Amino acid sequence: GAGVSQSPSNKVTEKGKDVELRCDPISGHTALYWYRQSLGQGLEFLIYFQGNSAPDKSGLPSDRFSAERTGGSVSTLTIQRTQQEDSAVYLCASSFFPQGGTDTQYFGPGTRLTVL
Amino acid sequence: TQLLEQSPQFLSIQEGENLTVYCNSSSVFSSLQWYRQEPGEGPVLLVTVVTGGEVKKLKRLTFQFGDARKDSSLHITAAQPGDTGLYLCADANFGNEKLTFGTGTRLTIIP
Repeated sequence: GAGVSQSPSNKVTEKGKDVELRCDPISGHTALYWYRQSLGQGLEFLIYFQGNSAPDKSGLPSDRFSAERTGGSVSTLTIQRTQQEDSAVYLCASSFFPQGGTDTQYFGPGTRLTVL
Repeated sequence: TQLLEQSPQFLSIQEGENLTVYCNSSSVFSSLQWYRQEPGEGPVLLVTVVTGGEVKKLKRLTFQFGDARKDSSLHITAAQPGDTGLYLCADANFGNEKLTFGTGTRLTIIP
């Protein structure tokens, strides 16, 4: 079946502009995660959605970052007033979250963001 | 904050050789996962180990979890060009859902 898809695959923007990154999880997966991968920081957690629960935003680096998940499916990560240090690959993952347990996270191919 | 250090950072070897890469944690793992990431793709789960001393084999790959559950090794026998990629260890933080990733080992197998 279809895996996790992300769009765009590449995004180049100017410093100070806002960007939106989209993630389509695997159908039926209730949990959705955003991670960021950069040369300096490696692969780090940003935010996690599970069903209708309040998202875990503990990994967001600043209040310029926000994310939402509509209808329990598609998610959008928004970065306002982008800075050069935001340049990274943004990865989305989803998993099936059975009662009382967790399942494998399946990652999308990522969006490469370059802030000039 | 848990720190996961992987070594070596880079490894380039000839096809057919054996290799071992390592993952060390500053604290006990909840459960340890190994991933491989190829260019332009997201990480793909290779294995999950939970019990100290556990050994798992996946074809030519052997994963070992330390008795104290603070370190792990990945051994590849007779490396092939298809093994090329970034190898990442991670703590699955069961009950917390967030993955904490290691610093990674970038492996290149030369044909």
